[in-house]
Amino acid sequence: EAAVTQSPRNKVAVTGGKVTLSCNQTNNHNNMYWYRQDTGHGLRLIHYSYGAGSTEKGDIPDGYKASRPSQENFSLILELATPSQTSVYFCASGRGQNTGQLYFGEGSKLTVL
Amino acid sequence: AQSVTQPDARVTVSEGASLQLRCKYSYSATPYLFWYVQYPRQGLQLLLKYYSGDPVVQGVNSFEAEFSKSNSSFHLQKASVHWSDSAVYFCALASTSSGQKLVFGQGTILKVYL
Repeated sequence: EAAVTQSPRNKVAVTGGKVTLSCNQTNNHNNMYWYRQDTGHGLRLIHYSYGAGSTEKGDIPDGYKASRPSQENFSLILELATPSQTSVYFCASGRGQNTGQLYFGEGSKLTVL
Repeated sequence: AQSVTQPDARVTVSEGASLQLRCKYSYSATPYLFWYVQYPRQGLQLLLKYYSGDPVVQGVNSFEAEFSKSNSSFHLQKASVHWSDSAVYFCALASTSSGQKLVFGQGTILKVYL
């Protein structure tokens, strides 16, 4: 069974603080993704990676950085968190073939006060 | 630009009734299409996918979807719903050029009552 785990599952941060959301996958997939989920918007792609050492900007990258230090790990970094970044964040992995099937983690709920 | 629209934010049906969740897409060629389901406090799980061929695709848990190129649609259907089908359903699209970068619809909240 494919496994994608995220931490922390819940996080409360203050405006201007730094937040790091971590994702680990045991699927040996090349591709990893960070999405945020907001009511009325579905899931929107923030950053993605095709392998260790690479990161690419998605559709809404402003205010976010990403890091892929290894095949298994992909982090999303908010250097200066703002209340507008309050959301549920999902990490996903995929094989890298042109199939579109992704495997998702359970989500990280971030509240920025 | 690619886009996916799910026109129904919320659908409520009684257990045993039939179900259709609507999905419309915008893309110049034939896309890869997906339905994902999100149960409470969980991540998204794949229900079914369409790449090419037979426009009716079968998925898990007796769900099926029908692709229509003329209508740019990929509606999800189930003949008889169960209360455990209550969840949020997302339609998604990937193009041949975007690979696994999925574009999601807004989601439809399904509530099945007894």
